Amino acid sequence: EADIYQTPRYLVIGTGKKITLECSQTMGHDKMYWYQQDPGMELHLIHYSYGVNSTEKGDLSSESTVSRIRTEHFPLTLESARPSHTSQYLCASSGTGKGGYTFGSGTRLTVV
Amino acid sequence: GENVEQHPSTLSVQEGDSAVIKCTYSDSASNYFPWYKQELGKRPQLIIDIRSNVGEKKDQRIAVTLNKTAKHFSLHITETQPEDSAVYFCAAISGGSNYKLTFGKGTLLTVNP
Repeated sequence: EADIYQTPRYLVIGTGKKITLECSQTMGHDKMYWYQQDPGMELHLIHYSYGVNSTEKGDLSSESTVSRIRTEHFPLTLESARPSHTSQYLCASSGTGKGGYTFGSGTRLTVV
Repeated sequence: GENVEQHPSTLSVQEGDSAVIKCTYSDSASNYFPWYKQELGKRPQLIIDIRSNVGEKKDQRIAVTLNKTAKHFSLHITETQPEDSAVYFCAAISGGSNYKLTFGKGTLLTVNP
């Protein structure tokens, strides 16, 4: 089934560790996005990409980095996790033209 | 850039009543307005959208209206049910080559049985 997949679903990690949150979509979408969201709260755009080898920072400053080497894959990396990074991270994608996003199920990150 | 304001932040209704959530946007060139529903612990899901060349769109119990002159759009849910309880987000995409959605801050809707 065409969808957008995020792994892991939950992650508890110690301070200072390097982590990568995976996001892959099988819908053939060219545009992908990362949002940070505390439970039931605002959606903050932290990174986006309109195509391969194209990445931009979003509206909310983030210490994370992203890459877009393949159309279907948009991983997010934190070089050194801190407790302030504890949050839910949602990946999304959209197709040709201006349209709605499809969101992944999210990764709930806890840094201890 | 675009700015989207959403009201109210919380809304509590009795089952069977109607619920209305309102959003305003700042960029007159914005031309696409989706609404998302996010149930507790789940991903946001697109429930209805409207483009700037349309004034109203309905899908069963939900409808969206758009007033381009006033730069506001609203979500209407009729005959509310407990399963409508969720956080609802409105959003807008500006004109031009921008494809980023600007989201409102969300409305927590509670439908009491």
